[in-house]
Amino acid sequence: EVQLVESGGGLVKPGGSLRLSCAASGFTFSNAWMSWVRQAPGKGLEWVGRIKSRTDGGTTDYAAPVKGRFTISRDDSKNTLYLLLNSLKTEDTAVYYCTTMGIAAAVVYWGQGTLVTVSS
Amino acid sequence: DIQMTQSPSSLSASVGDRVTITCRATQSISIYLNWHQQKPGKAPKLLIYAASSLQSGVPSRFSGSGSGTDFTLTISSLQPEDFATYYCQQSYSTPFTFGPGTKVDIK
Repeated sequence: EVQLVESGGGLVKPGGSLRLSCAASGFTFSNAWMSWVRQAPGKGLEWVGRIKSRTDGGTTDYAAPVKGRFTISRDDSKNTLYLLLNSLKTEDTAVYYCTTMGIAAAVVYWGQGTLVTVSS
Repeated sequence: DIQMTQSPSSLSASVGDRVTITCRATQSISIYLNWHQQKPGKAPKLLIYAASSLQSGVPSRFSGSGSGTDFTLTISSLQPEDFATYYCQQSYSTPFTFGPGTKVDIK
């Protein structure tokens, strides 16, 4: 059974930083493309970014609102995905979901999410 | 960036009704269109990938169709557990944008 467990969310001041983690199990993490999706309170889903598997280059892509501030990385030895959030803004307040990607780059499995609140 | 629109934004329906939700992309995305269901307070769940392929474990009353710019999600006979918000998402090119969602509630 695929499991994705996010952690690291919390309250942070504007301009601050946070690192989210996603512990993966139930599949071969090193072969998987992974992504982060966020959802602001009461709003829709917003794609944050993606990281390819190391064998596919390990490259990353980001949505424009987070490019240059957020960094996705992975540690295949720990089956863990990371999202480093820097220079946080109030509009970054959201539940952040870790996801796997599958056929046709579809988001397949979702974690339960971790809430990041940016407020002074 | 490719923008996604959905219609309607919300609908009210009864158990047993046939429900159709449409999704449109601002440029051709071939069949790189996926549908997700989200219930309040829960993580989303993939229903349909590549426009018409049913994700494992998803009931067959859900179906998807379309290609290019216009897509449809159909629920053939709405069940009580189907009341939720439905999102389309394109995975043709990054950023993999989502539609704004369609909320399906009880009439």
